[in-house]
Amino acid sequence: GENVEQHPSTLSVQEGDSAVIKCTYSDSASNYFPWYKQELGKGPQLIIDIRSNVGEKKDQRIAVTLNKTAKHFSLHITETQPEDSAVYFCAASKGWNYGQNFVFGPGTRLSVLP
Amino acid sequence: KAGVTQTPRYLIKTRGQQVTLSCSPISGHRSVSWYQQTPGQGLQFLFEYFSETQRNKGNFPGRFSGRQFSNSRSEMNVSTLELGDSALYLCASSPGQGGTANEQFFGPGTRLTVL
Repeated sequence: GENVEQHPSTLSVQEGDSAVIKCTYSDSASNYFPWYKQELGKGPQLIIDIRSNVGEKKDQRIAVTLNKTAKHFSLHITETQPEDSAVYFCAASKGWNYGQNFVFGPGTRLSVLP
Repeated sequence: KAGVTQTPRYLIKTRGQQVTLSCSPISGHRSVSWYQQTPGQGLQFLFEYFSETQRNKGNFPGRFSGRQFSNSRSEMNVSTLELGDSALYLCASSPGQGGTANEQFFGPGTRLTVL
C-alpha cells in the first residue's frame, strides 16, 4: 500500500524567513496531494493541494511543488508569521474512484519565532 | 456555508463500554470519511461512506463500525472499548462529485478518553 514520509519532523524559523517541508510517496498511482495545517485543539485545515497534472501551485505565501518522477512534493511558506506555527501534514490519494482513504505523513511541527 | 460538525466534542468512557460518535458533513457533500489520530500512529483511515455505502475500510478491528444516513450524516461506533482506543476521532467530508470530488474537509474532532 501507499506510504508517505515527511521531513523534517520539527522546524523552527525566524519570523519573515521561509519554511520548506518535504514529503515522498511510494505509490505511483497517487495523483492528489493535499496539505493540512492543524492548530492545537482543532481539526486539520486544508491549506493547499496539487494534482498530478500540475507541477506547481501557489496561493499567496504558500506554494506546493510536485515531482512525479521522483515521487516527492514540497510545501513552501514564505514570509512566515507567528500564526503559521502549527503542525503540517501532507497526504496522498489515488483519486475519487479509489475511495477517500488518504494516507498521511507523520506531520511537521513548525515554530515561527518572533 | 457551515463546516463539518462533530458531536460530542469530548467523551470519557470506561473499558468495555461502547460509544457512538456523530458527524454532519458540509451541506451538499455526499462522502464522509473517519480517521483516528493518536500521537504514536498519527492520522489513520478508518472508513469512508458515500451515498450510504461503505466504499473503503482501513485496517481496524471489527469493533469499529459506521454508517451513513440518507441526509449524508454519519455515525461511527466503537464497541468493547479498550484503553488504546483513546484518540481524537476526526470526520472529513468531501463533495463526491465534480472536479473537486475528493477534496476533504475536516471537522474539529471528538476527543475520546477510555479509562
